[in-house]
Amino acid sequence: QQQVKQSPQSLIVQKGGISIINCAYENTAFDYFPWYQQFPGKGPALLIAIRPDVSEKKEGRFTISFNKSAKQFSLHIMDSQPGDSATYFCAALEYGNKLVFGAGTILRVKS
Amino acid sequence: GAVVSQHPSRVICKSGTSVKIECRSLDFQATTMFWYRQFPKQSLMLMATSNEGSKATYEQGVEKDKFLINHASLTLSTLTVTSAHPEDSSFYICSAREPRGDEKLFFGSGTQLSVL
Repeated sequence: QQQVKQSPQSLIVQKGGISIINCAYENTAFDYFPWYQQFPGKGPALLIAIRPDVSEKKEGRFTISFNKSAKQFSLHIMDSQPGDSATYFCAALEYGNKLVFGAGTILRVKS
Repeated sequence: GAVVSQHPSRVICKSGTSVKIECRSLDFQATTMFWYRQFPKQSLMLMATSNEGSKATYEQGVEKDKFLINHASLTLSTLTVTSAHPEDSSFYICSAREPRGDEKLFFGSGTQLSVL
């Protein structure tokens, strides 16, 4: 059962453009929503995370938008660069339970 | 951020042999560590939760006798793939949670296991 649905599966963006990845969840008990970036052959690295008491969080070029009523959250990468090309995973956590990952989005930024 | 070290990064072994993978939290004590398996172009699949000083909790469908987990100290967890077979070839990743009350989870760099 896929508890966190992530889309798109893959994404191609021109350098300087905005990359947008979306996730949706069903479990209203989730209270922590991180995004991870993974390069080939490496483990995932925590990029940015948000809790449901805020609607937006920004760190540098990365922004999470959170819509609690719609049970959706998204990652926006502004001014996308070729070095951002990686696989991105959204995830959700219910306190005390295991982290649930989305299926992943392969991002390619064309120079 | 916190650092989780995983070793080795790559291992090739013969079918039937056992392989041990180490996961260390370098700058914090982790009472709980997690082991994941990842196939090419797929998401991370949780295999087991490793608890310091007690038995690991395995996810449904994961053979506990094949994937032995030991969490002997607050900074070290090991995963041993016993009697490895080619179908065990995969990317194995560990993670640890900082015990500060928030939910940040930090991952090791992964181990690519190839069983010939």
